[in-house]
Amino acid sequence: GDSVTQMEGPVTLSEEACLTINCTYTATGYPSLFWYVQYPGEGLQLLLKATKADDKGSNKGFEATYRKETTSFHLEKGSVQVSDSAVYFCALSSGGSNYKLTFGKGTLLTVNP
Amino acid sequence: SQTIHQWPATLVQPVGSPLSLECTVEGTSNPNLYWYRQAAGRGLQLLFYSIGIDQISSEVPQNLSASRPQDRQFILSSKKLLLSDSGFYLCAWSVQGTGEKLFFGSGTQLSVL
Repeated sequence: GDSVTQMEGPVTLSEEACLTINCTYTATGYPSLFWYVQYPGEGLQLLLKATKADDKGSNKGFEATYRKETTSFHLEKGSVQVSDSAVYFCALSSGGSNYKLTFGKGTLLTVNP
Repeated sequence: SQTIHQWPATLVQPVGSPLSLECTVEGTSNPNLYWYRQAAGRGLQLLFYSIGIDQISSEVPQNLSASRPQDRQFILSSKKLLLSDSGFYLCAWSVQGTGEKLFFGSGTQLSVL
């Protein structure tokens, strides 16, 4: 079945540091890939997405590139801010079940001033 | 615009008591509806999804049930809560026919004591 594996947290960085959160997947067909973010005390919200190989999703300074050859979708940001502190979830939607998402376990990011 | 309401925000219940969590969506018709649970250290787990009234699919065998008595109402229930039912419960919706972008409610923190 479909699965998503993302790096274990927690991740603690200083403000303006570079961020990478690794995500790899297993899926049938050609999935769409997503990063969701959950700020403290809130529900999840979509951060960015990519629907086909070599697509790059970007939003709020975050980027992720759909790499079919390595089945990866790593989240990156060149300079993090305190306000980026949140839990980040990698997810996929595969062609065989296009009305539900499979999520990774989430990675807690804490950015210190 | 579309909005999703989920209540209560927090709930403390004794073992063996019943449960009813309610979720309603406004501003859209025929949405896909979802219940997810976020347990400590275990990530986000899909419990139920629904593509229409009285059409409920269960992803994981468990002590919970879901119902969709109206198009935009989704209810999560239990007759007798277990300690292991504790967690953060999230309701979500997506456009009919696709599960690619989910819109989440703010969640219910359930503690079973």
